[in-house]
Amino acid sequence: EVALLESGGTLVQPGGSLRLSCVASGFTFSTNAMSWVRQTPGKGLEWVSAISGSGVVTYLANSVKGRFTISRDNSKNTVYLHMNSLSVEDTAMYYCAKNETTWLHFWGQGTLVTVSS
Amino acid sequence: QSVLTQPPSVSAATGQKVTISCSGTTFNIGTNYVSWYQQLPGTAPKLLIYDNDKRPSAIPDRFSGSKSGTSATLGITGLQAGDEADYYCGTWDFSLSGYVFGTGTTVTVL
Repeated sequence: EVALLESGGTLVQPGGSLRLSCVASGFTFSTNAMSWVRQTPGKGLEWVSAISGSGVVTYLANSVKGRFTISRDNSKNTVYLHMNSLSVEDTAMYYCAKNETTWLHFWGQGTLVTVSS
Repeated sequence: QSVLTQPPSVSAATGQKVTISCSGTTFNIGTNYVSWYQQLPGTAPKLLIYDNDKRPSAIPDRFSGSKSGTSATLGITGLQAGDEADYYCGTWDFSLSGYVFGTGTTVTVL
């Protein structure tokens, strides 16, 4: 059974940095692309970033380019989201998801990031 | 902000049918497969439809999807109280080189 467990969300001050982790199980991690998607409380879904199975190819939403990076460690079945220069607009629940060809098949339960002074 | 447009809300009585539209452009829906996600209150999104009209094995056939040109549609028949949720369409956008979601639609069962 596929499982995705996010962690690392916390309260952080504006301008701060944070690293989110997502540990995967139940499938061959290294052959699957992974994504991060966020949701501001009470609002819609916003795709943030994706990374190929090998980690060679990465994508970032324009709203986070230059501030966020995505990486993965296939030996640990873990994908990371490195977030810098955080602003209040980055406050959201962050979900990791397992990519298939053109869709996001399985989602974790999310980790909450709050940016506030 | 979202580049795919959905109606904010739809409603119908128990047992009836609702449809949710998702409007995009040639850069996204027009050239890519569409998927749909259901988000029940307080939970993570769940895949409902992929590749325009395919259902994962655990999804009942009351849920259906279709695509025509730059628009897609999700249909729910035999509406149940448990279908009350937010629904989002999603697809890849070539001009943005990123995945995009719809604005989201809240389904209310009367």
